[in-house]
Amino acid sequence: DSGVTQTPKHLITATGQRVTLRCSPRSGDLSVYWYQQSLDQGLQFLIQYYNGEERAKGNILERFSAQQFPDLHSELNLSSLELGDSALYFCASSVGLGNEQYFGPGTRLTVT
Amino acid sequence: AQSVAQPEDQVNVAEGNPLTVKCTYSVSGNPYLFWYVQYPNRGLQFLLKYITGDNLVKGSYGFEAEFNKSQTSFHLKKPSALVSDSALYFCAVRADQTGANNLFFGTGTRLTVIP
Repeated sequence: DSGVTQTPKHLITATGQRVTLRCSPRSGDLSVYWYQQSLDQGLQFLIQYYNGEERAKGNILERFSAQQFPDLHSELNLSSLELGDSALYFCASSVGLGNEQYFGPGTRLTVT
Repeated sequence: AQSVAQPEDQVNVAEGNPLTVKCTYSVSGNPYLFWYVQYPNRGLQFLLKYITGDNLVKGSYGFEAEFNKSQTSFHLKKPSALVSDSALYFCAVRADQTGANNLFFGTGTRLTVIP
């Protein structure tokens, strides 16, 4: 158990819908990262937050957005969902720069 | 820009034999390198990292990795493989953009340890 929690574990929804994935980092970690894992794209970085502020952006679509709240939990919002958005979405957290990241168990999103 | 290559999609090794999973990297500046393991239907688990210091890094579950600057490689090794080591292994490099420390992952290598 990494100490990073993600909810829900599984999500099945239809094209065009909007979903919210939630992540709670390990106690004391200020950085939160979101990654997407799919068969064709592999593991891709989406976005990073540090203590409530956006720190870095990767291959995140405009339909996707995220935020980190004062209690340091983070939410990833996916809207206008397409079949190709079906993937495992991981959240990770770390205490600071250069430190290893600890990954949550992931949310498996299926868009039908 | 940074990148990681894992040249082997699949590595098979007999139980008890030494194993190596290969990784090469490209990054500007000093590399921050990581290995993670993923078991079926699970998240990624951190194994070890190289930031600075000794070129041989020891990690969890008896794994170690050798950093080679001249060959820009960071191969994962274990002296004696266990069946339970069978999993998907990812090499990663930290972003070289100032202020960011997200990871760039290789495509993964599936390790199968044969009893």
